[in-house]
Amino acid sequence: KQEVTQIPAALSVPEGENLVLNCSFTDSAIYNLQWFRQDPGKGLTSLLLIQSSQREQTSGRLNASLDKSSGRSTLYIAASQPGDSATYLCAVINYGGSQGNLIFGKGTKLSVKP
Amino acid sequence: DGGITQSPKYLFRKEGQNVTLSCEQNLNHDAMYWYRQDPGQGLRLIYYSQIVNDFQKGDIAEGYSVSREKKESFPLTVTSAQKNPTAFYLCASSIDGQETQYFGPGTRLLVL
Repeated sequence: KQEVTQIPAALSVPEGENLVLNCSFTDSAIYNLQWFRQDPGKGLTSLLLIQSSQREQTSGRLNASLDKSSGRSTLYIAASQPGDSATYLCAVINYGGSQGNLIFGKGTKLSVKP
Repeated sequence: DGGITQSPKYLFRKEGQNVTLSCEQNLNHDAMYWYRQDPGQGLRLIYYSQIVNDFQKGDIAEGYSVSREKKESFPLTVTSAQKNPTAFYLCASSIDGQETQYFGPGTRLLVL
């Protein structure tokens, strides 16, 4: 059974720092991996989607990498800002699994202090 | 504006009552999903639908029911059989079952 783990559960950094959020998954037979952002009491916002054949995706100050063989993904945030404070969720879709069944980690709660 | 809407934002359920959460999308997406989020937990899939008039159970479907009579709408009913319904409910849609999912703002369900 696929399990997704995110470490750390919470992270606090000063403004301007570059940071890395980690995601690991136990079954490497994934179709894709997605990173989401969730603000308190709100829905999820899709940040980046990496297909299983890709190694990384970039959007602005965000860069996500995927190493399928080791079951790991990282989300790199450059020059962090207080507005980046949120919970970041990683999710995978398995090959051969229920169509569209995203399997989520529990998230990393990020706090960027001015 | 294109997007996904959920209503109500907050919903209160009495013991033994069925309640229905609304989810509407105008993105012309074929696939729609319902997730449940509990504090400190990841999201868990309740039901999903790949196409109109078809839907499948997710990991935690017991105590819930859905319908998909229109492409734009995927309402979720929390029945009295769901003994622990207090949670944050999120609806999502995607072009098909493999692409990026777009989420609504969520409905928080509380039990009186």
